[in-house]
Amino acid sequence: EPEVTQTPSHQVTQMGQEVILRCVPISNHLYFYWYRQILGQKVEFLVSFYNNEISEKSEIFDDQFSVERPDGSNFTLKIRSTKLEDSAMYFCLSPKGGRGYTFGSGTRLTVV
Amino acid sequence: AQSVTQPDIHITVSEGASLELRCNYSYGATPYLFWYVQSPGQGLQLLLKYFSGDTLVQGIKGFEAEFKRSQSSFNLRKPSVHWSDAAEYFCAVGVGGSNYKLTFGKGTLLTVNP
Repeated sequence: EPEVTQTPSHQVTQMGQEVILRCVPISNHLYFYWYRQILGQKVEFLVSFYNNEISEKSEIFDDQFSVERPDGSNFTLKIRSTKLEDSAMYFCLSPKGGRGYTFGSGTRLTVV
Repeated sequence: AQSVTQPDIHITVSEGASLELRCNYSYGATPYLFWYVQSPGQGLQLLLKYFSGDTLVQGIKGFEAEFKRSQSSFNLRKPSVHWSDAAEYFCAVGVGGSNYKLTFGKGTLLTVNP
């Protein structure tokens, strides 16, 4: 059973539009990670978030991306001005201590 | 920085045959190692993980993997493949502790012939 729920499961957006992807943990998690998988490619780390701030980010995570936890529960990934190359599956990982490495079900983002 | 190599891009086996998917990692300390499976258009399902202890790890769906430090390998095996095992398999390495950052290999696509 996934430790997190991701919404939406699929989003289609026009190039240049802003999108917000959501990750909802089951309980009070502290660690949040976003990963991206472009179709047919490997899964890549984007960013990690702990104690309400970014703890690490990859070179992919440029100024177009941002993360926040606006209401203490949901964890969001925002892409300000989407590009065609942002089309990908986006996965959230939100382990609650221990050794949880179960990903959310993912959001498929299609930029047209 | 850690890295993962999955030498085989695509493997085809017959149903009922044995399977071994290769994974080599690069990491200076003791790694956390994982195998995930992904069906087309679906999410990542954790098959098994290795943190420490017994180097032969049992996972779900009849899979197992063996950690060999001397070879920097963590190969995935299954004695008898089922048609439903057709999917993409990803090996990943993590640094452990409270750092859940994973580095993935490029994946191996498994095709199962009837």
